[in-house]
Amino acid sequence: SQTIHQWPATLVQPVGSPLSLECTVEGTSNPNLYWYRQAAGRGLQLLFYSIGIGQISSEVPQNLSASRPQDRQFILSSKKLLLSDSGFYLCAWSGGIYGYTFGSGTRLTVV
Amino acid sequence: AQSVTQLGSHVSVSEGALVLLRCNYSSSVPPYLFWYVQYPNQGLQLLLKYTSAATLVKGINGFEAEFKKSETSFHLTKPSAHMSDAAEYFCAVSKEGFQKLVFGTGTRLLVSP
Repeated sequence: SQTIHQWPATLVQPVGSPLSLECTVEGTSNPNLYWYRQAAGRGLQLLFYSIGIGQISSEVPQNLSASRPQDRQFILSSKKLLLSDSGFYLCAWSGGIYGYTFGSGTRLTVV
Repeated sequence: AQSVTQLGSHVSVSEGALVLLRCNYSSSVPPYLFWYVQYPNQGLQLLLKYTSAATLVKGINGFEAEFKKSETSFHLTKPSAHMSDAAEYFCAVSKEGFQKLVFGTGTRLLVSP
């Protein structure tokens, strides 16, 4: 069966520090991968998606970047965090008829 | 471009009452539509999806939704609310089959005893 792992679950980082959130998928190959952000009281905003290794599309301009170094690994990064980067980050994958499967999320607080 | 609008950021019902969460979509092509549920500090779980087959879609936990093209709606219902249904619910439309979901802003369901 397919599973998706996302870590860490919570993170508190100072302004200006770097960020690396990791997401891995098991039990499938060549999935489409997504990073969403959910700000307090708001819906989910698609940040990045990837259809293959090294292929990243950005949906909105921002202080973040994404990379896909391996087929089932998706990383969200920042060189210098801003206060506005705080939020709940969700990784998801999709493939064929399975639709979307979400990770458990990372609560990022920038202080 | 595809989009969804969820009417009401909060809906309150009593336990045992009907649950109705509203979602209207905008799409230039036949849409794929989804309802997800999110419990606090967790990821999203798929409740049900419409993919151009039967217009009445049954999902998990007793929820169902009806696709009404004439009304561009995909409202989520449950005949009798349970305390465990308290959560945030998101409607979503897909741009390309199962790809690139666009989410509504969510509706928080509150269930009182």
